[in-house]
Amino acid sequence: AQKVTQAQTEISVVEKEDVTLDCVYETRDTTYYLFWYKQPPSGELVFLIRRNSFDEQNEISGRYSWNFQKSTSSFNFTITASQVVDSAVYFCALSEALGGSEKLVFGKGTKLTVNP
Amino acid sequence: GAVVSQHPSWVICKSGTSVKIECRSLDFQATTMFWYRQFPKQSLMLMATSNEGSKATYEQGVEKDKFLINHASLTLSTLTVTSAHPEDSSFYICSAMIGVETQYFGPGTRLLVL
Repeated sequence: AQKVTQAQTEISVVEKEDVTLDCVYETRDTTYYLFWYKQPPSGELVFLIRRNSFDEQNEISGRYSWNFQKSTSSFNFTITASQVVDSAVYFCALSEALGGSEKLVFGKGTKLTVNP
Repeated sequence: GAVVSQHPSWVICKSGTSVKIECRSLDFQATTMFWYRQFPKQSLMLMATSNEGSKATYEQGVEKDKFLINHASLTLSTLTVTSAHPEDSSFYICSAMIGVETQYFGPGTRLLVL
């Protein structure tokens, strides 16, 4: 069975600090996708990134970066120079690419609070 | 990114009434839409997968007669909570899929059943 673990329930940082959100996943499939979504207080989930299992290159988008390591089944998310607007709940998710299943399995989320 | 809307954003109803929530993909056609439920401070729980023109596939433990899903077109799926009760109060979120990879989520509907 698939499983996504976000061990950090809540993180609190001061503005301009860097912060890393951890995500560890379990799957028996060799082909899968990993995602990060942001859920601000308004409730809407905002898509941040999708990574397929064959692409282990790290990705950087502005202040966001992602570190995908298949050897440790991890897909960690780092925010550099955090800002108050980064305060939200962040979900890591996993989906299968084969077998006709397009379901997302979500982690429990990490609530990030960035204090001014 | 793709835009998905939900209507209404808030609904308060009396116990025993039915509530319909609409999910629309505004700038793309979605053959597959998903309905999730989220309780406070918890993760998203998939309720059902909705494919255009066919019956929805419900997750284990979700009552199909309680949560009616209709996916009549490539841009619209509806979730009807029938005979709502206070325990149905929750945050309902839909998503629409582009291709077979990425789900884009609507803004959610907060349901409060009195």
